[in-house]
Amino acid sequence: EVQLVESGGGSVQPGESLRLSCAGSGFTFSDSWMHWVRQPPGKGLEWVSRLNSDATVTTYADSVKGRFTVFRDNAKKTVSLQMNRLRVEDTAVYYCMSGTDHWGQGTLVTVSS
Amino acid sequence: DVVLTQSPLSLPVTLGQPASISCRSSQSLLHSDGNIYFNWFHQRPGQSPRRLIYKVSNRDSGVPDRFSGSGSGTAFTLRISRVEAEDVGIYYCMQYTRWPYTFGQGTKLEIK
Repeated sequence: EVQLVESGGGSVQPGESLRLSCAGSGFTFSDSWMHWVRQPPGKGLEWVSRLNSDATVTTYADSVKGRFTVFRDNAKKTVSLQMNRLRVEDTAVYYCMSGTDHWGQGTLVTVSS
Repeated sequence: DVVLTQSPLSLPVTLGQPASISCRSSQSLLHSDGNIYFNWFHQRPGQSPRRLIYKVSNRDSGVPDRFSGSGSGTAFTLRISRVEAEDVGIYYCMQYTRWPYTFGQGTKLEIK
């Protein structure tokens, strides 16, 4: 069974940093594109970043470019999202996704003063 | 960016009746490799999205055959032949032909 488990969410003030992690199991992690998608409370879905299997391709939404960095450790089967200079508008549930089929349960990030 | 426009945004349906959701793209979703990278997802309240349909018309494992997807180019449709109580929630279309990948606004299906 495919499982994706996110961690690292929490409440921070604007300008602070947070690192999210996602642990994968039940599939060939090292072969999979991994993605981060976020959902502000009560709103729709927004793609944040993608990362190919060997981390040679990373792409970001304009809204987070220059502030967020995605990276992976295939040996540990984890993908992480380093979020710097957080803004109020970054408040959302953050999901990791493998390919376009399996999603984690999400982790809530709240940015508020 | 590719804009996906769903309609309707709210869909009240009687149990056992059919339902249909449209998703129109601002650009053709035909990739240079000949594929159309377009999916449908269902999100129940408090849960993560679940993929129902991939590449326009392919049903995921475990998805009831009352769900079907169709379309090409810029116009896509999700159909439910007979709505059941478990089908309530929000349906999203999604394209991953062009970066940034984008989602539709969502269609909320409720039982009348």
